[in-house]
Amino acid sequence: QKEVEQDPGPLSVPEGAIVSLNCTYSNSAFQYFMWYRQYSRKGPELLMYTYSSGNKEDGRFTAQVDKSSKYISLFIRDSQPSDSATYLCAMSVLGYQTGANNLFFGTGTRLTVIP
Amino acid sequence: DGGITQSPKYLFRKEGQNVTLSCEQNLNHDAMYWYRQDPGQGLRLIYYSQIVNDFQKGDIAEGYSVSREKKESFPLTVTSAQKNPTAFYLCASSREGQGKKTQYFGPGTRLLVL
Repeated sequence: QKEVEQDPGPLSVPEGAIVSLNCTYSNSAFQYFMWYRQYSRKGPELLMYTYSSGNKEDGRFTAQVDKSSKYISLFIRDSQPSDSATYLCAMSVLGYQTGANNLFFGTGTRLTVIP
Repeated sequence: DGGITQSPKYLFRKEGQNVTLSCEQNLNHDAMYWYRQDPGQGLRLIYYSQIVNDFQKGDIAEGYSVSREKKESFPLTVTSAQKNPTAFYLCASSREGQGKKTQYFGPGTRLLVL
């Protein structure tokens, strides 16, 4: 079983729709949760960062973490064609582990917002 | 401008040839990473380095080599032993120690085999 599972999509929605992107994970030690956005042929850019459970809002984007269910979500309100990209979730454990790679990525969900 | 630069943007490799991908960062980050991205497979970790003159293998290190002689630089060599090198290569960096584990990525290098 992978540490992080993410539905690869593709997901197509009309402009203005609410988009829900999700990841599940198996390691209960994960405490930091991130969402990256990657446009075609570009490097991923950090979109949202949350620590532990709860919601975090930034403009049209809301990141939600449910640690009891080991489930995180990214919601995009009033989706725009410019939101068309691949969205990757990532998560890491609390604390510093010498010699260890602490960040685990989902495979990414490809989103297309149709004008 | 602080950030991560990768060069070249596109790289062509002939059979039996070693090629080196450049990664430089001016974020003063201690840790640097190399990932390979193939369609439908997400990011796979090749090598990472948490400190100068030290690095560890990731999940798919075979056929690759790295060096970390300077904090700012983490070049990746794709050797002739890597039989399927065509992919998008991403370099990343992060702070180390307690605190955030957020990684910041460069723009990537696309490697193609002639």
